[in-house]
Formats: sequence, C-alpha cells, structure tokens
Amino acid sequence: RKEVEQDPGPFNVPEGATVAFNCTYSNSASQSFFWYRQDCRKEPKLLMSVYSSGNEDGRFTAQLNRASQYISLLIRDSKLSDSATYLCVVNIYGQNFVFGPGTRLSVLP
Amino acid sequence: SAVISQKPSRDICQRGTSLTIQCQVDSQVTMMFWYRQQPGQSLTLIATANQGSEATYESGFVIDKFPISRPNLTFSTLTVSNMSPEDSSIYLCSVVGGTGQETQYFGPGTRLLVL
Repeated sequence: RKEVEQDPGPFNVPEGATVAFNCTYSNSASQSFFWYRQDCRKEPKLLMSVYSSGNEDGRFTAQLNRASQYISLLIRDSKLSDSATYLCVVNIYGQNFVFGPGTRLSVLP
Repeated sequence: SAVISQKPSRDICQRGTSLTIQCQVDSQVTMMFWYRQQPGQSLTLIATANQGSEATYESGFVIDKFPISRPNLTFSTLTVSNMSPEDSSIYLCSVVGGTGQETQYFGPGTRLLVL
C-alpha cells in the first residue's frame, strides 16, 4: 500500500461548484499534513497546512481525521484559476515529507 | 519564505553524459532536498543534502548515480551521471522553512531531456 494515496482525477467542475478531494495516509506516526498546489509546468507551492481541528482559508477548508488517517480539501465557489494539481503531503519522522500522486482539477467556464 | 533558484532551467543531453544542477537559496537553511518528478507523476525524494557530510539517499537512489554536494547552508548541486532516457524528468530542489520549520519551498525545477 502506498504511503499517501489520492484519487488522480481529473475532476472537471463548472465555475462556482464546490469540489472535495480526499487523501489517505498509511503511517499512523505521521505528524504534519499539508495541501500543495502545482500548476502545469511549475513547482509545487504550499496551499495550506492541515490542523487537527480543521482550518479554513477563504474558499478552502481542510480537515484531518487521525482515526481514519484521512485528509480532505474542500474548495467552494470554484474559480477558473483553481485549475491545478492538488498534492497531499504528509510529514513523517520529523523531516521526511511524502507526497501523494496529486489530484487534477479543471474548472470549466 | 525562501527564494530558490536553479540552474539550468532546462537541458537536452546525450545518453552517457552527466549534468550538474545547481540550487541557490537566498537564506541559510538546514534542510535541503532533491526531488525528481517524472512526467505525469508526483514528486519522489532522491536525497537529503547535508551540509558538511554525505547526502542521505532514499531507497532506489545511489551516490554514484546522483552525487550531491552541499558546501554551505545556501547552496547545493545534484549531478545526474551517465544519463539514460529514463532520467528524463524534472529535478527540483527544496528547503524547509517557515515558523515551525514545516513548510517546504521549491525551486522552479530543471527540466531534463535525455536523448
């Protein structure tokens, strides 16, 4: 079983839609969790960290369920500019970051 | 946040040759990493570049193939040796920073095509 798993998509949604991505991780010792965004032909950039209590940043909401080893990202009111690949990242053993395969999102006009 | 530059940004190389990629950070950082991202795939960690000592390689990556230098806290190089077409990939340098030293910042990447 892979350490971090994501549905690769693509998710094709209309502008204004709400879309949710899920991510599961296998190592229960994982300490920190993140969502990164990667635009085509660009490097990954941090979108948001995921805290135990859940956190929100504008249209983006991240949730963590340690018992189920599951992370989610919810995007409300999708914009065309949200089209990208969203990478789930788990920090294991302190400084070892493990990247999921990414979920591709296309927001359509 | 850290600002990272990489050189070259892209290259086309012949099989059997070697390419050295440079990574420069605008501030001193402890943790520096080299990743590979093959077309349509996610990132795979090659190694952690340690300042003043040998790099720590992940399973499947060896020093003879991917020698790494880390002469100081702002600079590192990755060499892709004896290249084959399977080495065609994007190579990314990254550092850890942020308040809790938990955020990874990436360089723009080096696109390598091996013919």
